[in-house]
Amino acid sequence: AQSVAQPEDQVNVAEGNPLTVKCTYSVSGNPYLFWYVQYPNRGLQFLLKYITGDNLVKGSYGFEAEFNKSQTSFHLKKPSALVSDSALYFCAVSNYGNNRLAFGKGNQVVVIP
Amino acid sequence: GAGVSQSPSNKVTEKGKDVELRCDPISGHTALYWYRQRLGQGLEFLIYFQGNSAPDKSGLPSDRFSAERTGESVSTLTIQRTQQEDSAVYLCASSPSIGLNEQFFGPGTRLTVL
Repeated sequence: AQSVAQPEDQVNVAEGNPLTVKCTYSVSGNPYLFWYVQYPNRGLQFLLKYITGDNLVKGSYGFEAEFNKSQTSFHLKKPSALVSDSALYFCAVSNYGNNRLAFGKGNQVVVIP
Repeated sequence: GAGVSQSPSNKVTEKGKDVELRCDPISGHTALYWYRQRLGQGLEFLIYFQGNSAPDKSGLPSDRFSAERTGESVSTLTIQRTQQEDSAVYLCASSPSIGLNEQFFGPGTRLTVL
Protein backbone atom coordinates (compact mmCIF):
# COMPACT_ATOMS: atom_id res chain seq x y z
CA ALA A 1 0.00 0.00 0.00
CA GLN A 2 1.19 3.48 -0.75
CA SER A 3 1.24 6.36 1.71
CA VAL A 4 2.40 9.95 2.03
CA ALA A 5 3.63 11.89 5.03
CA GLN A 6 3.47 15.66 5.22
CA PRO A 7 5.06 16.26 8.60
CA GLU A 8 4.18 19.90 9.14
CA ASP A 9 0.61 21.02 9.73
CA GLN A 10 1.33 24.64 8.84
CA VAL A 11 4.14 26.45 7.13
CA ASN A 12 4.52 30.17 7.74
CA VAL A 13 6.75 32.19 5.45
CA ALA A 14 7.30 35.88 4.82
CA GLU A 15 6.37 37.19 1.39
CA GLY A 16 9.40 37.11 -0.89
CA ASN A 17 11.14 34.35 1.06
CA PRO A 18 11.67 30.82 -0.25
CA LEU A 19 8.85 28.39 0.42
CA THR A 20 9.32 24.67 1.03
CA VAL A 21 6.57 22.15 1.74
CA LYS A 22 7.84 18.73 2.72
CA CYS A 23 6.59 15.35 1.52
CA THR A 24 7.89 11.83 1.98
CA TYR A 25 6.30 8.76 0.47
CA SER A 26 6.14 5.02 0.72
CA VAL A 27 5.22 2.86 -2.26
CA SER A 28 6.14 -0.49 -3.74
CA GLY A 29 7.67 -0.15 -7.15
CA ASN A 30 8.26 3.10 -8.96
CA PRO A 31 6.51 6.11 -7.46
CA TYR A 32 4.39 8.55 -9.39
CA LEU A 33 4.18 11.76 -7.40
CA PHE A 34 1.83 14.72 -7.55
CA TRP A 35 1.28 18.04 -5.83
CA TYR A 36 -2.12 19.68 -5.64
CA VAL A 37 -3.21 22.99 -4.13
CA GLN A 38 -6.59 23.75 -2.59
CA TYR A 39 -7.79 27.31 -2.20
CA PRO A 40 -10.67 28.06 0.21
CA ASN A 41 -14.02 26.77 -1.02
CA ARG A 42 -12.50 25.47 -4.24
CA GLY A 43 -11.53 22.09 -5.58
CA LEU A 44 -8.01 20.78 -5.78
CA GLN A 45 -5.86 22.14 -8.57
CA PHE A 46 -2.98 20.22 -10.10
CA LEU A 47 0.44 21.84 -9.68
CA LEU A 48 2.97 19.33 -10.98
CA LYS A 49 3.88 15.67 -11.25
CA TYR A 50 6.90 13.40 -11.38
CA ILE A 51 6.66 10.30 -13.53
CA THR A 52 10.18 9.70 -14.76
CA GLY A 53 13.17 11.65 -16.05
CA ASP A 54 14.66 14.73 -14.43
CA ASN A 55 14.42 14.78 -10.68
CA LEU A 56 13.55 18.48 -10.70
CA VAL A 57 10.03 19.06 -11.95
CA LYS A 58 8.65 22.48 -12.78
CA GLY A 59 4.96 23.24 -12.51
CA SER A 60 2.34 25.93 -12.37
CA TYR A 61 2.64 29.33 -10.65
CA GLY A 62 6.43 29.12 -10.33
CA PHE A 63 6.42 25.98 -8.19
CA GLU A 64 8.89 23.16 -8.55
CA ALA A 65 9.55 19.90 -6.75
CA GLU A 66 12.57 17.68 -6.41
CA PHE A 67 12.29 13.91 -6.45
CA ASN A 68 14.85 12.24 -4.19
CA LYS A 69 14.70 8.47 -4.44
CA SER A 70 17.21 7.72 -1.68
CA GLN A 71 15.30 9.89 0.79
CA THR A 72 11.88 8.95 -0.65
CA SER A 73 10.99 12.63 -0.72
CA PHE A 74 9.25 14.99 -3.10
CA HIS A 75 9.45 18.43 -1.50
CA LEU A 76 7.60 21.33 -3.10
CA LYS A 77 9.49 24.60 -3.47
CA LYS A 78 9.06 28.14 -4.66
CA PRO A 79 11.94 30.62 -4.68
CA SER A 80 9.87 33.66 -3.70
CA ALA A 81 6.50 33.23 -2.00
CA LEU A 82 3.50 35.44 -2.71
CA VAL A 83 0.60 36.22 -0.39
CA SER A 84 -1.63 34.58 -3.00
CA ASP A 85 0.22 31.28 -2.44
CA SER A 86 -1.54 30.95 0.92
CA ALA A 87 -3.53 27.73 0.56
CA LEU A 88 -3.64 24.05 1.49
CA TYR A 89 -1.10 21.88 -0.32
CA PHE A 90 -1.43 18.13 -0.81
CA CYS A 91 1.19 15.63 -1.90
CA ALA A 92 -0.02 12.38 -3.47
CA VAL A 93 1.55 9.13 -4.71
CA SER A 94 0.55 6.13 -6.77
CA ASN A 95 2.37 3.34 -8.54
CA TYR A 96 1.79 2.45 -12.12
CA GLY A 97 -1.07 0.02 -12.53
CA ASN A 98 -2.60 1.17 -9.28
CA ASN A 99 -4.89 4.06 -9.99
CA ARG A 100 -5.49 4.98 -6.39
CA LEU A 101 -3.87 8.20 -5.34
CA ALA A 102 -2.80 8.22 -1.71
CA PHE A 103 -2.86 11.75 -0.35
CA GLY A 104 -1.06 13.28 2.57
CA LYS A 105 -3.07 15.17 5.18
CA GLY A 106 -2.09 18.47 3.65
CA ASN A 107 -0.04 21.45 4.69
CA GLN A 108 -1.54 24.86 5.31
CA VAL A 109 0.79 27.50 3.88
CA VAL A 110 0.48 31.02 5.25
CA VAL A 111 2.44 33.73 3.47
CA ILE A 112 2.80 36.78 5.65
CA PRO A 113 2.85 40.17 3.90
CA GLY B 1 -13.76 24.14 -21.42
CA ALA B 2 -16.03 23.00 -18.62
CA GLY B 3 -14.41 21.34 -15.66
CA VAL B 4 -15.72 18.67 -13.34
CA SER B 5 -19.00 19.70 -11.78
CA GLN B 6 -20.68 18.34 -8.68
CA SER B 7 -24.12 18.77 -7.20
CA PRO B 8 -25.37 19.73 -4.78
CA SER B 9 -22.62 21.97 -3.45
CA ASN B 10 -24.00 21.59 0.05
CA LYS B 11 -26.28 18.96 1.55
CA VAL B 12 -27.65 18.88 5.07
CA THR B 13 -29.50 15.75 6.06
CA GLU B 14 -30.76 13.98 9.13
CA LYS B 15 -29.15 10.87 10.48
CA GLY B 16 -30.64 7.77 8.91
CA LYS B 17 -31.66 9.39 5.63
CA ASP B 18 -30.23 8.42 2.25
CA VAL B 19 -28.34 10.94 0.12
CA GLU B 20 -27.27 10.96 -3.50
CA LEU B 21 -24.35 13.01 -4.77
CA ARG B 22 -23.75 13.69 -8.43
CA CYS B 23 -20.61 14.17 -10.49
CA ASP B 24 -20.31 15.31 -14.10
CA PRO B 25 -16.79 14.59 -15.35
CA ILE B 26 -14.94 16.41 -18.08
CA SER B 27 -16.23 15.23 -21.45
CA GLY B 28 -14.05 12.49 -22.89
CA HIS B 29 -12.43 11.53 -19.59
CA THR B 30 -12.63 7.80 -19.19
CA ALA B 31 -11.56 7.59 -15.55
CA LEU B 32 -13.64 8.91 -12.65
CA TYR B 33 -12.77 8.90 -8.95
CA TRP B 34 -14.58 9.63 -5.71
CA TYR B 35 -12.75 10.80 -2.57
CA ARG B 36 -13.84 11.84 0.89
CA GLN B 37 -12.18 14.71 2.75
CA ARG B 38 -12.95 14.94 6.43
CA LEU B 39 -12.27 18.17 8.26
CA GLY B 40 -8.53 18.63 8.74
CA GLN B 41 -7.73 15.39 6.96
CA GLY B 42 -6.28 14.39 3.63
CA LEU B 43 -8.31 12.84 0.85
CA GLU B 44 -9.53 9.31 1.35
CA PHE B 45 -10.00 7.23 -1.79
CA LEU B 46 -13.47 5.70 -2.14
CA ILE B 47 -13.98 4.27 -5.63
CA TYR B 48 -12.88 4.63 -9.22
CA PHE B 49 -14.36 3.83 -12.61
CA GLN B 50 -12.45 3.23 -15.82
CA GLY B 51 -14.50 2.90 -18.98
CA ASN B 52 -16.56 -0.26 -18.98
CA SER B 53 -14.28 -2.13 -16.58
CA ALA B 54 -15.52 -3.24 -13.19
CA PRO B 55 -15.05 -0.39 -10.71
CA ASP B 56 -12.47 -0.53 -7.94
CA LYS B 57 -14.66 -0.31 -4.86
CA SER B 58 -11.93 -1.16 -2.40
CA GLY B 59 -12.04 2.23 -0.68
CA LEU B 60 -15.73 2.26 0.19
CA PRO B 61 -15.90 2.36 4.00
CA SER B 62 -19.08 0.30 4.43
CA ASP B 63 -21.90 -1.32 2.50
CA ARG B 64 -23.95 1.83 3.06
CA PHE B 65 -21.84 3.43 0.35
CA SER B 66 -22.34 2.68 -3.34
CA ALA B 67 -21.65 4.40 -6.63
CA GLU B 68 -22.70 4.05 -10.21
CA ARG B 69 -21.51 5.46 -13.48
CA THR B 70 -23.33 5.39 -16.79
CA GLY B 71 -20.80 4.73 -19.53
CA GLU B 72 -18.21 7.49 -19.45
CA SER B 73 -20.53 10.18 -18.16
CA VAL B 74 -22.31 11.06 -14.95
CA SER B 75 -21.64 9.26 -11.70
CA THR B 76 -23.70 9.16 -8.53
CA LEU B 77 -22.46 8.33 -5.05
CA THR B 78 -25.19 7.09 -2.73
CA ILE B 79 -24.93 6.91 1.02
CA GLN B 80 -27.71 5.00 2.73
CA ARG B 81 -28.78 5.45 6.34
CA THR B 82 -26.36 8.32 6.84
CA GLN B 83 -24.40 8.60 10.07
CA GLN B 84 -22.80 11.66 11.62
CA GLU B 85 -19.34 10.32 10.80
CA ASP B 86 -20.29 10.53 7.11
CA SER B 87 -20.11 14.33 7.38
CA ALA B 88 -17.33 15.41 5.03
CA VAL B 89 -16.62 16.97 1.66
CA TYR B 90 -17.04 14.44 -1.13
CA LEU B 91 -14.78 15.16 -4.08
CA CYS B 92 -15.05 13.79 -7.57
CA ALA B 93 -12.20 13.77 -10.07
CA SER B 94 -11.77 12.66 -13.66
CA SER B 95 -8.79 12.00 -15.90
CA PRO B 96 -8.30 11.21 -19.57
CA SER B 97 -7.12 7.69 -18.77
CA ILE B 98 -5.67 5.65 -15.99
CA GLY B 99 -2.13 5.68 -14.68
CA LEU B 100 0.02 8.66 -15.36
CA ASN B 101 -2.41 11.47 -15.95
CA GLU B 102 -3.26 14.03 -13.35
CA GLN B 103 -6.78 14.02 -11.98
CA PHE B 104 -9.03 17.04 -12.40
CA PHE B 105 -11.14 17.73 -9.34
CA GLY B 106 -14.60 19.14 -8.93
CA PRO B 107 -15.47 21.66 -6.21
CA GLY B 108 -16.94 18.98 -3.96
CA THR B 109 -20.18 18.41 -2.10
CA ARG B 110 -20.17 19.34 1.57
CA LEU B 111 -22.34 16.81 3.40
CA THR B 112 -23.52 17.53 6.92
CA VAL B 113 -25.38 14.82 8.81
CA LEU B 114 -27.25 16.14 11.83
